[in-house]
Amino acid sequence: GENVEQHPSTLSVQEGDSAVIKCTYSDSASNYFPWYKQELGKRPQLIIDIRSNVGEKKDQRIAVTLNKTAKHFSLHITETQPEDSAVYFCAASIPGTYKYIFGTGTRLKVLA
Amino acid sequence: EAQVTQNPRYLITVTGKKLTVTCSQNMNHEYMSWYRQDPGLGLRQIYYSMNVEVTDKGDVPEGYKVSRKEKRNFPLILESPSPNQTSLYFCASSLSSAEPTDTQYFGPGTRLTVL
Repeated sequence: GENVEQHPSTLSVQEGDSAVIKCTYSDSASNYFPWYKQELGKRPQLIIDIRSNVGEKKDQRIAVTLNKTAKHFSLHITETQPEDSAVYFCAASIPGTYKYIFGTGTRLKVLA
Repeated sequence: EAQVTQNPRYLITVTGKKLTVTCSQNMNHEYMSWYRQDPGLGLRQIYYSMNVEVTDKGDVPEGYKVSRKEKRNFPLILESPSPNQTSLYFCASSLSSAEPTDTQYFGPGTRLTVL
């Protein structure tokens, strides 16, 4: 079945540095790739998403890139700040099934 | 205020005692879904519903039931809970089920412990 692998599982960066989280999906028909941020004790919240007809999308310090040939997509956070510290989840949706498959999460720690 | 609500937020129960976790959204969303979150495993989809009276299994449906009798409500039922169902549960909803490319809004979560 569909699988989404996410790496790394933990990531520590110095404040102001960039962070990159990568996900690989198995079903080439997947067409929607959201990223969620979950702060400690809170619910996941969408921070950015990308559809399969787009290669890159940016929103201020956050960007997502998609490589359909290699079946992977990445989250890029520039100029990291302490409030970026959280767990980040990638996901892929499977057209025709209305199912979502999430990655296992990346715990990002931004060191002040 | 537009939101997804879940009740209860915390529940400790014993093996075999039937329980229901309620989920309600006030955004007129068509699509609703249940997930469980376990350390190291991320979020795994249990069941989802494309609209009233239309539900389908996610990746980990065993031991759970759902119903969608009204658009706003999507309860999760554990008829005979077991300790391996101890987890953090999230309900989510999105506007359209036409295709799964809408933002999902998550509820606050229900932490369930089965002894």
